[in-house]
Amino acid sequence: EVQLVESGGGLVQPGGSLRLSCAASGFTFSNYWMSWVRQAPGKGLEWVANIKQDGSEKYYVDSVKGRFTISRDNAKNSLYLQMNSLRAEDTAVYYCARDSVTGANFDYWGQGTLVTVSS
Amino acid sequence: QSALTQPASVSGSPGQSITISCTGTSSDVGAYNYVSWYRQHPGKAPKLMIYDVSNRPSGVSNRFSGSKSGNTASLTISGLQAEDEADYYCGSYTSIVVFGTGTKVTVL
Repeated sequence: EVQLVESGGGLVQPGGSLRLSCAASGFTFSNYWMSWVRQAPGKGLEWVANIKQDGSEKYYVDSVKGRFTISRDNAKNSLYLQMNSLRAEDTAVYYCARDSVTGANFDYWGQGTLVTVSS
Repeated sequence: QSALTQPASVSGSPGQSITISCTGTSSDVGAYNYVSWYRQHPGKAPKLMIYDVSNRPSGVSNRFSGSKSGNTASLTISGLQAEDEADYYCGSYTSIVVFGTGTKVTVL
């Protein structure tokens, strides 16, 4: 059974940093692109970033470029999101998601971790 | 990339069929057969219901079907059930995945 379990969310002040983690199991993690998708309270879904199987390619939504860094450790079956210079508008539930083989959708999602940026 | 346009809400009675539209442009929905649909119950993670316009993942009921015409994709839920009450989001691939604005489905 595919499982994705996020951790690391919490309350952080504007300008602060946070590192999210996603532990994957039930599939060969190193065979898949992986993504972070977020959802602000009461709002819709927004893709944030993704990373290639070997970590050699990474892509970001414009609003987080230069502030967020996606990474992975295939030996630990883990995905990460380092978030720096956090802003109030980054407040959201952050989901770890597995990209499908085509990369055109997300076939498995974690339960999400809440990040709140507030003073 | 702008969000795809969905109706804010759609409702129907048990047993009825409803259709949710997802309107994009010739650069996203109209450009690729890579439209997906997700169901999200309150406080839960999204779940993939339809991929590549009209394909159902294993385990998803055949009451869910998808289609596309031009720049608009549609999700149809037939035989509406109480468990179908949720938010639904479309997604379209454009080198990244762009999501729709979301539709709240209410079962009357």
